Amino acid sequence: DQQVKQNSPSLSVQEGRISILNCDYTNSMFDYFLWYKKYPAEGPTFLISISSIKDKNEDGRFTVFLNKSAKHLSLHIVPSQPGDSAVYFCAASAKEYGNKLVFGAGTILRVKS
Amino acid sequence: DTGVSQNPRHKITKRGQNVTFRCDPISEHNRLYWYRQTLGQGPEFLTYFQNEAQLEKSRLLSDRFSAERPKGSFSTLEIQRTEQGDSAMYLCASSLGRLGNTEAFFGQGTRLTVV
Repeated sequence: DQQVKQNSPSLSVQEGRISILNCDYTNSMFDYFLWYKKYPAEGPTFLISISSIKDKNEDGRFTVFLNKSAKHLSLHIVPSQPGDSAVYFCAASAKEYGNKLVFGAGTILRVKS
Repeated sequence: DTGVSQNPRHKITKRGQNVTFRCDPISEHNRLYWYRQTLGQGPEFLTYFQNEAQLEKSRLLSDRFSAERPKGSFSTLEIQRTEQGDSAMYLCASSLGRLGNTEAFFGQGTRLTVV
């Protein structure tokens, strides 16, 4: 039972353009959502998060949007840079579940220069 | 303190051997999580600790797996009688665990290969 889904295995974007990574979830108990970036042979690095009481959170080039009614969130990266090329994981958690993270399968982002 | 530290980074072992991994969390973090990641998948939750208490174990964690966090500081994950299916990246993460959600910060992981 995949509670967090990232339906796009990969995404290719030109440098300077916007990257949009999408994530869907099924469990309405989730109240906190996070995006992590991962390079090969390294652990995930925290990027940005959003609480379920908000619909947008912005940090520099990164913005996360949450649509609770659709159980959908997205990560926007603008402008995209070659160093952004990595695997991006969407994760969700709930206080009731001890804040353990439930991850999607990831989306490989390639930013072409 | 520069973050979550995991040792070793890589471990190759023969099937049937026991292995132990260590995780040192960020010092003020009272929650510590173990995850496992296989190729093409996101990390999967294994177990977590609030201070020294192990509060939850995933059904993914067979009886061959045991985790400890003595004194609420570092943690160890032991796998007994390793099988080829145990080959994966084992990730440790820590968080503040305050009321309200807080981000979890991951270590570099331990890559286990069972031959």
